[in-house]
Amino acid sequence: QKEVEQDPGPLSVPEGAIVSLNCTYSNSAFQYFMWYRQYSRKGPELLMYTYSSGNKEDGRFTAQVDKSSKYISLFIRDSQPSDSATYLCAMSRGAGGSYIPTFGRGTSLIVHP
Amino acid sequence: GAGVSQSPSNKVTEKGKDVELRCDPISGHTALYWYRQSLGQGLEFLIYFQGNSAPDKSGLPSDRFSAERTGGSVSTLTIQRTQQEDSAVYLCASSPYQDYGYTFGSGTRLTVV
Repeated sequence: QKEVEQDPGPLSVPEGAIVSLNCTYSNSAFQYFMWYRQYSRKGPELLMYTYSSGNKEDGRFTAQVDKSSKYISLFIRDSQPSDSATYLCAMSRGAGGSYIPTFGRGTSLIVHP
Repeated sequence: GAGVSQSPSNKVTEKGKDVELRCDPISGHTALYWYRQSLGQGLEFLIYFQGNSAPDKSGLPSDRFSAERTGGSVSTLTIQRTQQEDSAVYLCASSPYQDYGYTFGSGTRLTVV
């Protein structure tokens, strides 16, 4: 079992839909959780960075962490065709462990007009 | 510079040749990371620099891989005697602190023929 599991998709939704992207993990020591967006032939771009459990909102994006279930989510409201990309979750242990994140394999999202 | 710059953007090399990949991080970012991304795979950590030293090089897959960083800035990843399995996108990232999200470059797409 990989430390971080992420369904590769593709996930295809119509424009305007609410998108839910998820990752599960096995290492309870993870404290920092990140979501990156990667367009084709580009490097990943940091979208959200959260510490421990709870929600964080930034515009149309909401990141949610449930440490008790070892489950993290990224919600995209009012999805746009420009949101079509691969979304990677990542997580790290932080102080006492390592800040170097372990990445999921990414979920491919397609938002069609 | 405004972002992380990597060169070359594409490199085709013959099996057995050595290659050098360059990363120019964001000015002032003390942490620098190299990752490898193969088709359909997640990001594979290679090496981490803090300043000019590499406290974590645990991800280098073999002794054919080496990296250095000079002046706390530019980094070079060298692959000696390239093999076909080295074909991948090599991504560099930098951050101002180790407990902070990364900024990635666009990567070098290496093809070994």
